[in-house]
Amino acid sequence: EAGVAQSPRYKIIEKRQSVAFWCNPISGHATLYWYQQILGQGPKLLIQFQNNGVVDDSQLPKDRFSAERLKGVDSTLKIQPAKLEDSAVYLCASSSTGGSGSPLHFGNGTRLTVT
Amino acid sequence: KNQVEQSPQSLIILEGKNCTLQCNYTVSPFSNLRWYKQDTGRGPVSLTIMTFSENTKSNGRYTATLDADTKQSSLHITASQLSDSASYICVVNTGGATNKLIFGTGTLLAVQP
Repeated sequence: EAGVAQSPRYKIIEKRQSVAFWCNPISGHATLYWYQQILGQGPKLLIQFQNNGVVDDSQLPKDRFSAERLKGVDSTLKIQPAKLEDSAVYLCASSSTGGSGSPLHFGNGTRLTVT
Repeated sequence: KNQVEQSPQSLIILEGKNCTLQCNYTVSPFSNLRWYKQDTGRGPVSLTIMTFSENTKSNGRYTATLDADTKQSSLHITASQLSDSASYICVVNTGGATNKLIFGTGTLLAVQP
């Protein structure tokens, strides 16, 4: 089966600019996650979708970050305006059901550098 | 507060040697614990899953253990290879209604020839 696809692979922007990341999960996976991973740390959940509904966005900085999952398939994550501390790898993951027994399948991430 | 702590933070070993990575957690409730391997520039990949009743589980040269009483897990790598160089992340799932994933910060393993 095809894995989780993410683009772009790398992005460099200046602070206060905007940026968008795209994710295509594994076909049929109902649950989609966006994680932020700062160098040397474990992934931090930004938002979790179940189909096209939001399950958890408690750690999403809503003043600058937004995400959507149209039609319960692809998803985009946007940052506007970006800050220096947003420099990180943004990982998208999907799981078949979101249940505790379902492993997360991660994409290779988008490495964002904010200068 | 739910927390997952891993040790050591980083580790360097010679090819062919064994090593053990540790994961201590204070997570409640507990559903399962997974070890993920994250190669540089890639997303994490699941290695093993341990549930409350399981003590040991192997996946090739990787063996995970779980002591649910002391809330500790370990990942043992046997006869290490250069391709084992990666970050290893311990993730605890609360399951149930909350179903939260609590991530450790990972152990960075470097296997040298």
